Parts: sequence; structure tokens; C-alpha cells
Amino acid sequence: DAGVIQSPRHEVTEMGQEVTLRCKPISGHNSLFWYRQTMMRGLELLIYFNNNVPIDDSGMPEDRFSAKMPNASFSTLKIQPSEPRDSAVYFCASSPTGANQPQHFGDGTRLSIL
Amino acid sequence: AQSVTQLGSHVSVSEGALVLLRCNYSSSVPPYLFWYVQYPNQGLQLLLKYTSAATLVKGINGFEAEFKKSETSFHLTKPSAHMSDAAEYFCAVSPSGGSYIPTFGRGTSLIVHP
Repeated sequence: DAGVIQSPRHEVTEMGQEVTLRCKPISGHNSLFWYRQTMMRGLELLIYFNNNVPIDDSGMPEDRFSAKMPNASFSTLKIQPSEPRDSAVYFCASSPTGANQPQHFGDGTRLSIL
Repeated sequence: AQSVTQLGSHVSVSEGALVLLRCNYSSSVPPYLFWYVQYPNQGLQLLLKYTSAATLVKGINGFEAEFKKSETSFHLTKPSAHMSDAAEYFCAVSPSGGSYIPTFGRGTSLIVHP
């Protein structure tokens, strides 16, 4: 079975540009999570979707960040405009619904904002 | 609300030595507990999970963890470290009721010396 697929794997762009990160969850998983990982702050939950509906977006840093899940097989995380402090590794994870269900992570997108 | 504390951001062992990575949690309801491993340039992968069936949980790659309610701990152990075990390890807790959103620890980097 294919795991969680993220694209691109690496993104380098200049400050002020729009950045779009993409995620395809595992088929049949109805929970989707976006995380950001940095050395300083560790792994931070940005937003959680269940059945394509955003349930908790309290971790989204500011209005420059937005996330969508138009259908069960696709989600995007957008940053507009991007800033150097947004540089991090962004992970998407999916799972079946339930607290006892482990998350399946993609390999991440390494984002560098110059 | 729940929280996770991983004691020691770095743990260094010799190849063949016992591995012990510590995790303490707090949760207002019975928790589900997880250990994940992250290798360089990869996403997190599930090592093992506790879901109340047994207090001693065996995972992949020879790792195991014991749930101790009285100590609110879920420490990860492996009898004999291998060079390939060098990675970042994360403990996570999910409440058995509510939003199903897990909380991750800050991670412990395991260094294995030859």
C-alpha cells in the first residue's frame, strides 16, 4: 500500500512568495494532520481535519497560513506571503479516526525561505 | 488536557548496551500511548502503542515499553543497541475521549557508539 505522499520534497523560494504544500493521505483514513518541525520548537500541530472538515486549527501560526481539504484524497497547506521564519520541515500525517489509532507520516517537505 | 515529557534530549549508548528512553505523561482520562521513531530525512514511523490490552508492549526492531500507571510513565527499552537504532524517538499520548488529537514529546536523539 502507498503511504502518505507529500510534494514537493524540497522547496526553496524567496521571501514574499506564495508556497503550496500538497498531501495525499492513505486511502480510507479520515483524519489528516499537518505538522511543522523545527529544532527550536520541535513538532507542532498546525491543523487537524476529520472527514475533510477542519476540526482544530488553533496551531496555525497566523493568517498567512491556510489549509484546505477539498476531498478525502488531497490536502494543501498554503503560506502567503512566506517569511524566512517559516523555514521548517512540514509533515502531513493521516490515520483512521480514533485515539487508539497511530498516525502515518509522509516524508515531509523541507521548506527554505530566503 | 494532556502532556508528555521526555527526559533527556540526547541519550548516548555503546553498541550492545541497554537502551532506555524515558517518557512521562499526564492525562485527565485514560490515555493511549505511542512511541515513534524518525530517521534522518524521513517522517515518523510507529514503533509500538499501548491501548490498555497489556502493560508490556512489544514493538518492532526489538523495542518494548511498559505502561506504569502509578508512575505515569511509558519508558522505551531495548536490551542491546545496534548502530541502526540511531535516530530520533518521540513519545505521544492521546486521550481516550474527546478530540483524538495526540500530544507529542520533544523527542530524544539516540546516539549509538561503536
